[in-house]
Amino acid sequence: NAGVTQTPKFRVLKTGQSMTLLCAQDMNHEYMYWYRQDPGMGLRLIHYSVGEGTTAKGEVPDGYNVSRLKKQNFLLGLESAAPSQTSVYFCASSYLAPSTDTQYFGPGTRLTVL
Amino acid sequence: GQQVMQIPQYQHVQEGEDFTTYCNSSTTLSNIQWYKQRPGGHPVFLIQLVKSGEVKKQKRLTFQFGEAKKNSSLHITATQTTDVGTYFCAGRNSGNTPLVFGKGTRLSVIA
Repeated sequence: NAGVTQTPKFRVLKTGQSMTLLCAQDMNHEYMYWYRQDPGMGLRLIHYSVGEGTTAKGEVPDGYNVSRLKKQNFLLGLESAAPSQTSVYFCASSYLAPSTDTQYFGPGTRLTVL
Repeated sequence: GQQVMQIPQYQHVQEGEDFTTYCNSSTTLSNIQWYKQRPGGHPVFLIQLVKSGEVKKQKRLTFQFGEAKKNSSLHITATQTTDVGTYFCAGRNSGNTPLVFGKGTRLSVIA
């Protein structure tokens, strides 16, 4: 099992450009999450999904969109990138919620917006 | 919204010293989880606590959940260089709300 994979690992964008981050998991997990991690800020939830075809906003959803067309994939889109979106983005997935929901994280995508 | 506060933000210890990080919530938590992130890596699940007053041990790591289920701690005995990293707690209120992560405690171990 590959677990949770993220594509790409690194990306540099110019302000106003768009991009999509791909997260894939092969553990048949229902729940998937997108976080951003900034120095001193911990992990902040952007959007999450409780199943195929469903998405919900997290703590910091502005400027991002997501889609969960297939159970194993969760896409994070930036329509018009801004320097404030420079961050490390982690995808995670979990099998059950809320009582037992160990989150398995991907390796992260380091995004720089110039 | 729900907040999970974690202290200290940074801790530098000599190898062999003990280390403790604390996690506090403004609301009662249904469960609390702890994760470790090595430098340059991704968070990795360590443990989950569910019951009031629960104590769990993993080798040199001791995890506690407060009686009121509003606080938790992670204690490492006799730190080693392999303990270096950032330790996060994450908790949720009752129901299907997502986990809320603390900002983490970054541990440095000086050999």
